[in-house]
Amino acid sequence: EPEVTQTPSHQVTQMGQEVILRCVPISNHLYFYWYRQILGQKVEFLVSFYNNEISEKSEIFDDQFSVERPDGSNFTLKIRSTKLEDSAMYFCASSEARGNQPQHFGDGTRLSIL
Amino acid sequence: AQSVTQPDIHITVSEGASLELRCNYSYGATPYLFWYVQSPGQGLQLLLKYFSGDTLVQGIKGFEAEFKRSQSSFNLRKPSVHWSDAAEYFCAVGLDTGRRALTFGSGTRLQVQP
Repeated sequence: EPEVTQTPSHQVTQMGQEVILRCVPISNHLYFYWYRQILGQKVEFLVSFYNNEISEKSEIFDDQFSVERPDGSNFTLKIRSTKLEDSAMYFCASSEARGNQPQHFGDGTRLSIL
Repeated sequence: AQSVTQPDIHITVSEGASLELRCNYSYGATPYLFWYVQSPGQGLQLLLKYFSGDTLVQGIKGFEAEFKRSQSSFNLRKPSVHWSDAAEYFCAVGLDTGRRALTFGSGTRLQVQP
């Protein structure tokens, strides 16, 4: 069964540094998403992306965050200047364009900010 | 704004016993409803979904869920739990307004005793 893949599985970064998290969505999916889960807390929506632009974002997704589809297969989340509170598990998801089809999640990238 | 409540943070059941995990949502109309499971170190795997129609939905791994509009609930059930079902279970809500963001509950951690 096709799946969403995320790299790296664990990223350790110094505070203030830029970090890029990578995702390869399921190939025939057209909607892409990023969520995060701070340790012990709920999974929270960050952003959705469709047709090469952001279609929706939460209040968490401020100017420090950006997303990009640099080629036909990858979908990236960039955090420009990381803060301690950015430490979390970041999940990428994708879904078909039709209706409200279920979102399929990757295994996540654990981001640790030192 | 919509919200999702999973009242049970932690549940322990014996292997072979039946299971019911509770989920209540708050939203003015009928949302799209999902249950996801997260094993340690893994991503979120879709167990089942409800969009419309039959209020009893079947999912993978022998799970089912029943949508009860009058109670704003979407409880997950399994008649006989296996040790491999030990994981964290998340209920999630999506809206039928064209927005794609999922709102997650805080999760229920299931422990299975031999």
